[in-house]
Amino acid sequence: DIQMTQSPSTLSASVGDRVTITCRASQSISNWLAWYQQKPGKAPNLLIYKASSLESGVPSRFSGSGSGTEFTLTISSLQPDDFATYYCQQYNTYWTFGQGTKVEIK
Amino acid sequence: EVQLVESGGGLVQPGGSLRLSCAASGFTFSSYAMTWVRRAPGKGLEWVSIISGGADGTYYADSVKGRFTISRDNSKNTLYLQMNSLSAEDTAVYYCAVSLGMQYFQHWGQGTLVTASS
Repeated sequence: DIQMTQSPSTLSASVGDRVTITCRASQSISNWLAWYQQKPGKAPNLLIYKASSLESGVPSRFSGSGSGTEFTLTISSLQPDDFATYYCQQYNTYWTFGQGTKVEIK
Repeated sequence: EVQLVESGGGLVQPGGSLRLSCAASGFTFSSYAMTWVRRAPGKGLEWVSIISGGADGTYYADSVKGRFTISRDNSKNTLYLQMNSLSAEDTAVYYCAVSLGMQYFQHWGQGTLVTASS
């Protein structure tokens, strides 16, 4: 089974900050990685697929990069609506989520 | 507009069964794989099961294999999850989602809560 490990688990930041979340796979997954945002009581929302492709309608301040085993999600300038939990997901072999990264207000 | 509406959640005793439904609209249902994902209280997202558009391919997480069965009725645009031998560890909000090419999950429903407790 492929394990996905996100860091950090919690991130405290301010509006306007540049934020980076890291996701590591236990084995190479090429670029078969997606990122989701989830707010309390809401369904997850797809942000990025194929490691770096921005889903339609998602603000351009979100970007993804990486390949193989190490990936990052970057928010270039954190907005009030961005405080949420973020998950990576691999779909190279079956489907596995990371444990999540909560972005909270500093 | 894609709409996914889950139903069938509720309180069930450990060892019991429940069937979840997901009514889909706004897209050609039979052309897309569909999946179930859950989130237990205080935990992260966990993929549960997936089914191809033509229902000829199904996959399960090890945690539910042999107990849960995914199915779909393309004439009714509805996805199902039959859950048997439920335990407290199955307590979660269950989401259905559209899977592009059995890869990532593009559209999600709002979820239905399943609680296995005596």
